[in-house]
Amino acid sequence: DSGVTQTPKHLITATGQRVTLRCSPRSGDLSVYWYQQSLDQGLQFLIQYYNGEERAKGNILERFSAQQFPDLHSELNLSSLELGDSALYFCASSVSGNNEQFFGPGTRLTVL
Amino acid sequence: AQSVTQLGSHVSVSEGALVLLRCNYSSSVPPYLFWYVQYPNQGLQLLLKYTTGATLVKGINGFEAEFKKSETSFHLTKPSAHMSDAAEYFCAVSDRYGGSQGNLIFGKGTKLSVKP
Repeated sequence: DSGVTQTPKHLITATGQRVTLRCSPRSGDLSVYWYQQSLDQGLQFLIQYYNGEERAKGNILERFSAQQFPDLHSELNLSSLELGDSALYFCASSVSGNNEQFFGPGTRLTVL
Repeated sequence: AQSVTQLGSHVSVSEGALVLLRCNYSSSVPPYLFWYVQYPNQGLQLLLKYTTGATLVKGINGFEAEFKKSETSFHLTKPSAHMSDAAEYFCAVSDRYGGSQGNLIFGKGTKLSVKP
């Protein structure tokens, strides 16, 4: 158990819909990272937050957005969902940049 | 831009045999290097990392990796494979400095099978 929790574990929805994935980092970790794992794209970095502020963006689509709240939990919002958005979405946390990242168990999103 | 290449999407070894998983990176400055393992239906777990200092890095479960700057490689080895090592292994890099510090760039992964 990494100490990072993600909800829900599984999510099935339809094209065009909007979903929110939630992540609670390990106690004391200020950085939160979101990654997408799909069969064709592999593991891709999406976005990083540090203590409530966006720190860096990776290959995140404009339809996707995220935020980190004062209690340090983070949410990833995916809108106008397409079939190709079906993937495993991982959250990771660390004390700060370049410290070891601890990964959550992931949320498996299926878009039908 | 940084990138990671893992040679071989599938590697199969016999129990007790040497495990060698290959990773080459591309980076304008020496990066931080990582190996992660993913068991079925689970998240990623850090095996080992190279930041500075000794180029031979020892990790958990008997794995080790050697940073070779001249070859831009960071291959993962284990002298004797166990059935429990069957999993997918990911090599990753991150910037040492700057705004993207800490963001992991992953290779495509290598699935390791261990035969009895």
